[in-house]
Amino acid sequence: DVKVTQSSRYLVKRTGEKVFLECVQDMDHENMFWYRQDPGLGLRLIYFSYDVKMKEKGDIPEGYSVSREKKERFSLILESASTNQTSMYLCASSLTGTVYNEQFFGPGTRLTVL
Amino acid sequence: AQSVAQPEDQVNVAEGNPLTVKCTYSVSGNPYLFWYVQYPNRGLQFLLKYITGDNLVKGSYGFEAEFNKSQTSFHLKKPSALVSDSALYFCAVRDRDTGFQKLVFGTGTRLLVSP
Repeated sequence: DVKVTQSSRYLVKRTGEKVFLECVQDMDHENMFWYRQDPGLGLRLIYFSYDVKMKEKGDIPEGYSVSREKKERFSLILESASTNQTSMYLCASSLTGTVYNEQFFGPGTRLTVL
Repeated sequence: AQSVAQPEDQVNVAEGNPLTVKCTYSVSGNPYLFWYVQYPNRGLQFLLKYITGDNLVKGSYGFEAEFNKSQTSFHLKKPSALVSDSALYFCAVRDRDTGFQKLVFGTGTRLLVSP
């Protein structure tokens, strides 16, 4: 069974802290994604990666950075957390191929910044 | 730019009745369309996708979706709703502009199935 895991289900941080969210997939997928989910806004793409050490900005990259040192792991970094980054964060992965492949999602991390 | 619209924030249906969750899309070229479901405190689960071929696509948990090119719609349907179908449903379209594997998601529709 395919699996995407995220390091924490719930996280509470203080304003100004550096925050690391970790995502690991065991499916040997090339592509990995970080989204944030907010009520009424759906899912918005923060960053994605199509290969090790490669990254591309999504629609809302400001205030975030990412790291992909190994194929199975994709980290999201909040350099200096702010209250407007309180949200649900979802990681996903997908396989590159001739047919467009669906994304598989992790369970999410609900981050609260106080 | 590619986009999808889910015009209903919430859909209410009684158990045993048919359900429809609406989605319309705007794309350049041929659309690749998806439906995902999110149960409370869980990540998104893939339900079905339309790439090409038959306009009626069958997916997981008895769901199906009808692709209608003239109406640019991709509505999710189920003949008989279950209380356990209550969840948040997202429609998504492949973003063709970047050439990567990006999806653009709608804002979601909450489905409530009453006993």
